[in-house]
Amino acid sequence: KNQVEQSPQSLIILEGKNCTLQCNYTVSPFSNLRWYKQDTGRGPVSLTIMTFSENTKSNGRYTATLDADTKQSSLHITASQLSDSASYICVVTNTNAGKSTFGDGTTLTVKP
Amino acid sequence: DGGITQSPKYLFRKEGQNVTLSCEQNLNHDAMYWYRQDPGQGLRLIYYSQIVNDFQKGDIAEGYSVSREKKESFPLTVTSAQKNPTAFYLCASSPGQTNIQYFGAGTRLSVL
Repeated sequence: KNQVEQSPQSLIILEGKNCTLQCNYTVSPFSNLRWYKQDTGRGPVSLTIMTFSENTKSNGRYTATLDADTKQSSLHITASQLSDSASYICVVTNTNAGKSTFGDGTTLTVKP
Repeated sequence: DGGITQSPKYLFRKEGQNVTLSCEQNLNHDAMYWYRQDPGQGLRLIYYSQIVNDFQKGDIAEGYSVSREKKESFPLTVTSAQKNPTAFYLCASSPGQTNIQYFGAGTRLSVL
């Protein structure tokens, strides 16, 4: 069964600190992995998308890594800002019919 | 101004009533999707469409119906058969099934 598990479920950090969110998946055969940011009451917005051959991709202060062998990804946020407070969702798509499996998300709270 | 538009932002349903949520995109995307999000949970796929006049059930299609008569539009009807419709509904579109999905701002449905 295709699954995507994210950890931690929630995280509180102080403004200016770094943090790392984890995503483990069992989706196969793998097509791509995406990280989305979802502000409360809004639709998710794409941060990064990585294919099998990519192991790092950055978008400003967000850096995603992918280890296709261990089926793990991480999202690292550098120098956090209050506006980073949101839910971060990991999505893995397989190559069979392009079906996407969504993780439950990690809720990040950045405090001043 | 390209994007994906959902309306209304808030919707209330009476017992036994069908309601329709609108989703329009001007991104010229072939694929469109409907998701349901409950508090603290991940997105669950209701229906998706890869091409005009064709759509497939997702993981939780019971109590919902869709149509895809135009490329730009993918309305979702929540029927009276859906006994627990209170949720946040998100529409998305993508150029193809393995591509990044672009989300609308969502519709919050509540039962009166």
